[in-house]
Amino acid sequence: GENVEQHPSTLSVQEGDSAVIKCTYSDSASNYFPWYKQELGKGPQLIIDIRSNVGEKKDQRIAVTLNKTAKHFSLHITETQPEDSAVYFCAASRTLNSGGSNYKLTFGKGTLLTVNP
Amino acid sequence: ETGVTQTPRHLVMGMTNKKSLKCEQHLGHNAMYWYKQSAKKPLELMFVYNFKEQTENNSVPSRFSPECPNSSHLFLHLHTLQPEDSALYLCASSHLAGAAGELFFGEGSRLTVL
Repeated sequence: GENVEQHPSTLSVQEGDSAVIKCTYSDSASNYFPWYKQELGKGPQLIIDIRSNVGEKKDQRIAVTLNKTAKHFSLHITETQPEDSAVYFCAASRTLNSGGSNYKLTFGKGTLLTVNP
Repeated sequence: ETGVTQTPRHLVMGMTNKKSLKCEQHLGHNAMYWYKQSAKKPLELMFVYNFKEQTENNSVPSRFSPECPNSSHLFLHLHTLQPEDSALYLCASSHLAGAAGELFFGEGSRLTVL
C-alpha cells in the first residue's frame, strides 16, 4: 500500500517569512495529492490539491509543487500570517481510473506550523 | 445547518459501555467516511460508505460497528472499547468515493475510554 512521509513535524516561522512542508510517497501510481489544514478544535479542511498531470499549482499565498520522478511534493506558504498557524497534512491516493480498487487517501503525520507575530 | 455535523463533540465512556457517534452531512454527497485521529499518527481511514453501501473496512476491530441508513447519516456504534481507542473520530463526506476530490470533515468527536 501507499506510504506517505511528511517533514518537518513542527515548524516555527516569523510572520512574513515563508514556510515549506515536504512529503514523499511510495506508490508510483498515486495521482492525486491534496493538502489539508486543521485548526485547533476543528476538522481538516482542504486548502489546495494537485494532480499528477501538473507540476505546480498556486492559489494566492499557497503553492504546491510535485515531482513525480522523485515521488515528492511540497507545500509552500509565502508571507505567513498568524492565522496560518495550524496542523497541515499532506495526502496521496490513486483513483479508480489509475488502477485503484477504491478511493483510499493516505495521509502524512502532519506538520504543526506556528507563525510568530 | 451546513457542512458536516458530528455529535457528541466529547464522549467519556467505560470499557463496558455502549455508545454511538453520529454524523450528518447537508452537502448532498454520496460518500461518507469514518477516520480515527490519534496523536502523532496519520489519519487512519476506518470505513467508507458509497451510496449507503460499505465499500471499505480497513481491518477495524469489531468493537467498532458502522451504520449508514442513508447517504446523509452515518453512525459509529461503540462497545467494549479499550483505552487505546481513545482518539478524535472524524466523519467526512465527498461527492463520490473513488473519484479524487475534496473531503469535507466534521469537527470530530473526542472519545476518552476509561
